[in-house]
Amino acid sequence: SAVISQKPSRDICQRGTSLTIQCQVDSQVTMMFWYRQQPGQSLTLIATANQGSEATYESGFVIDKFPISRPNLTFSTLTVSNMSPEDSSIYLCSVEDRQGGSYNEQFFGPGTRLTVL
Amino acid sequence: EDKVVQSPLSLVVHEGDTVTLNCSYEVTNFRSLLWYKQEKKAPTFLFMLTSSGIEKKSGRLSSILDKKELFSILNITATQTGDSAVYLCAGGATNKLIFGTGTLLAVQP
Repeated sequence: SAVISQKPSRDICQRGTSLTIQCQVDSQVTMMFWYRQQPGQSLTLIATANQGSEATYESGFVIDKFPISRPNLTFSTLTVSNMSPEDSSIYLCSVEDRQGGSYNEQFFGPGTRLTVL
Repeated sequence: EDKVVQSPLSLVVHEGDTVTLNCSYEVTNFRSLLWYKQEKKAPTFLFMLTSSGIEKKSGRLSSILDKKELFSILNITATQTGDSAVYLCAGGATNKLIFGTGTLLAVQP
């Protein structure tokens, strides 16, 4: 499976500021996703990062709050904008390689633990 | 609305015990059922199931899917303290995974 890294691994931020999280994969992958895991909750999909086009957002998530870039097949960024304490979560990127026709088999990066004061 | 429900929410066992974790799902355009183990931040992949009745095994872990009853189980035999984690079940649809809230397993020495 692909090796996935995320930066930063954790951060403490002040409300009203923005943080950009990077996700790097060691091989080209078809699909990249961003998830949020709030304290004590399960994973919720924020958006699918599409290479060369705008991300596809899930209900309840908007581009102004969570802008996403995917400039190539190995890299994506998620920005958490104008943060509030409610944005304190673990943010995870995942990848899915559909080249072999295998759908849904997603592998996760190590995550970014964000605390907003 | 798509949903995945796991039970029990938490479980405490002793080393050597066998545990069964349950996952029921209602997912539109269902393709697969996945199990993950989450110890700190990153979920690690365990199994992906796409066909009913075919057991998948990896060491002491095994899992099976029932697409008629919309149900899957994860079995762990001869549990060890290193099995302590949150176990997540996810229903795979066309372009997304829908996760359950997880089962917190604690294995005591």
